[in-house]
Amino acid sequence: GAGVSQSPSNKVTEKGKDVELRCDPISGHTALYWYRQSLGQGLEFLIYFQGNSAPDKSGLPSDRFSAERTGGSVSTLTIQRTQQEDSAVYLCASSSRTEANYGYTFGSGTRLTVV
Amino acid sequence: AQSVTQPDIHITVSEGASLELRCNYSYGATPYLFWYVQSPGQGLQLLLKYFSGDTLVQGIKGFEAEFKRSQSSFNLRKPSVHWSDAAEYFCAVGGIQGAQKLVFGQGTRLTINP
Repeated sequence: GAGVSQSPSNKVTEKGKDVELRCDPISGHTALYWYRQSLGQGLEFLIYFQGNSAPDKSGLPSDRFSAERTGGSVSTLTIQRTQQEDSAVYLCASSSRTEANYGYTFGSGTRLTVV
Repeated sequence: AQSVTQPDIHITVSEGASLELRCNYSYGATPYLFWYVQSPGQGLQLLLKYFSGDTLVQGIKGFEAEFKRSQSSFNLRKPSVHWSDAAEYFCAVGGIQGAQKLVFGQGTRLTINP
């Protein structure tokens, strides 16, 4: 597609439930990133996929968080047993490795509220 | 560790006035530097980027930024702001350890007075 698409745009879930957030990157972009933006905070890196390489999971805050990227395209971020501190906007971005195009394109994010 | 500091959490300027948003980074080599803007309820949009060459880079919406290696800075400027420039602005540094992961500053919220 023309841009990075994230779904759902908003998600309200009960504490303890699992949630899945989806990201469709720009076609042809080999790199995909997940970031978290808490209220009034900057962007916190979560995970990075680059082609067929092993993902960089160094930013995942706990083992309740996981992500996969199927077929080098769509990615799903899963949060198990959600906690109230997981409430945030989850942003996905994709990029090309070509320097001329280097620079993320972000989706509009998924606003997650854990009640 | 690599880091980005945006010293100003919130800035208010009058419409038509000039603007400068500060960004300082910590990185061992020449970094890739970016400025992004986030309007309320929206994702982040790339304003401009610096990789190498001319240290003054032009971006969209009339913004420019200057890379100063001696000061480890990459400040964003605009000669005359418009009410539509009210948003959150993020500076970011990349090129870390060969990966394309970006490290973002905490952001500066810009308010425009009429």
